[in-house]
Amino acid sequence: KNEVEQSPQNLTAQEGEFITINCSYSVGISALHWLQQHPGGGIVSLFMLSSGKKKHGRLIATINIQEKHSSLHITASHPRDSAVYICAVSEADKIIFGKGTRLHILP
Amino acid sequence: KAGVTQTPRYLIKTRGQQVTLSCSPISGHRSVSWYQQTPGQGLQFLFEYFSETQRNKGNFPGRFSGRQFSNSRSEMNVSTLELGDSALYLCASSSYRTNYGYTFGSGTRLTVV
Repeated sequence: KNEVEQSPQNLTAQEGEFITINCSYSVGISALHWLQQHPGGGIVSLFMLSSGKKKHGRLIATINIQEKHSSLHITASHPRDSAVYICAVSEADKIIFGKGTRLHILP
Repeated sequence: KAGVTQTPRYLIKTRGQQVTLSCSPISGHRSVSWYQQTPGQGLQFLFEYFSETQRNKGNFPGRFSGRQFSNSRSEMNVSTLELGDSALYLCASSSYRTNYGYTFGSGTRLTVV
């Protein structure tokens, strides 16, 4: 079992829909990261969380430390949101990545 | 403000050769970390440097090594290249001033033939 599990693996939605991507982890962490990777490889760090909730524009990230679970929400989704979203956790001396969720927003 | 710069962007090498990749962090960032991304394994942590010292290391063979210079620029070296080393190699820099959030470079795509 992977230490960081994401769901769903793939998600296709219509423009305007509310999107939720989930991340569960099994290790003790100091922080959780949400990353966005567009075709071509460039990675953008969206959020770094250690508790609670953060919002940036149409993106919201939440984390529940007790349940070892985090969610990334996208409101009013747009085709430019199409990308791979990766959850990663900082554990002691390393960072562990989930396999990513491939999101495709249809116009 | 310049971002994280990785050079070269693309590289083709032959099995058995060695390769050196470079990463220049954002000015003022003292922590540089390296990652390997392959279709099969996804993103994996290679190592992290802070103030010229390797702080952490992932589960990679000794053929993978790195170093950091006094200006925080970092290099990673892979010796005796294998076909399986073909991957996108990413580096990221971070700073306590950004609460240790990461800024990634665009990566170096290495193909071993």
